[in-house]
Amino acid sequence: EDQVTQSPEALRLQEGESSSLNCSYTVSGLRGLFWYRQDPGKGPEFLFTLYSAGEEKEKERLKATLTKKESFLHITAPKPEDSATYLCAVLDPNNAGNMLTFGGGTRLMVKP
Amino acid sequence: KAGVTQTPRYLIKTRGQQVTLSCSPISGHRSVSWYQQTPGQGLQFLFEYFSETQRNKGNFPGRFSGRQFSNSRSEMNVSTLELGDSALYLCASSSGTEWMTGELFFGEGSRLTVL
Repeated sequence: EDQVTQSPEALRLQEGESSSLNCSYTVSGLRGLFWYRQDPGKGPEFLFTLYSAGEEKEKERLKATLTKKESFLHITAPKPEDSATYLCAVLDPNNAGNMLTFGGGTRLMVKP
Repeated sequence: KAGVTQTPRYLIKTRGQQVTLSCSPISGHRSVSWYQQTPGQGLQFLFEYFSETQRNKGNFPGRFSGRQFSNSRSEMNVSTLELGDSALYLCASSSGTEWMTGELFFGEGSRLTVL
């Protein structure tokens, strides 16, 4: 059974204090790893897709990287508006379609 | 371009009742997925529909069902509600290809409270 584990569960940063969120996964035949951001009371918002080890994607202050066992979401010089829950997910390799298995999320709080 | 629309946004039911939730995907999207989100279990996949056919189903009891119409709009139904069904139910749509992309566009959800 696919497993996706995110750490830490919660992270408090000062504005400008860079850090990384971790997503470890156990899945045979990774077909894609995805990062989403979720604000309170909203649905998740797509950020990145990573397909193979060594791949990196960047968007503003966020950079996602992928190895064979885990993915990192690096946040450089975060701002308060980056506060949200960050979710990673993997695509089920045994089923066609968009069946995602999500991790529990990391709740990020950035204080000014 | 309008996003994914879910109705109702909030509802309160009592144990034993049934509920129907509605989702209108982004125009042109043929895949609609449903997820349940709770504080304890996080986001869990319920089912996915593509061109009116259920393509995948998660590990939920038969009380949870869904369907998709020819215009890609989808509904999910939960019968014989239990307290544990209290959750945020999220609908997500994705672009109209047969291949998985994993890039889902989520609605704001329907928050169900079962008393």
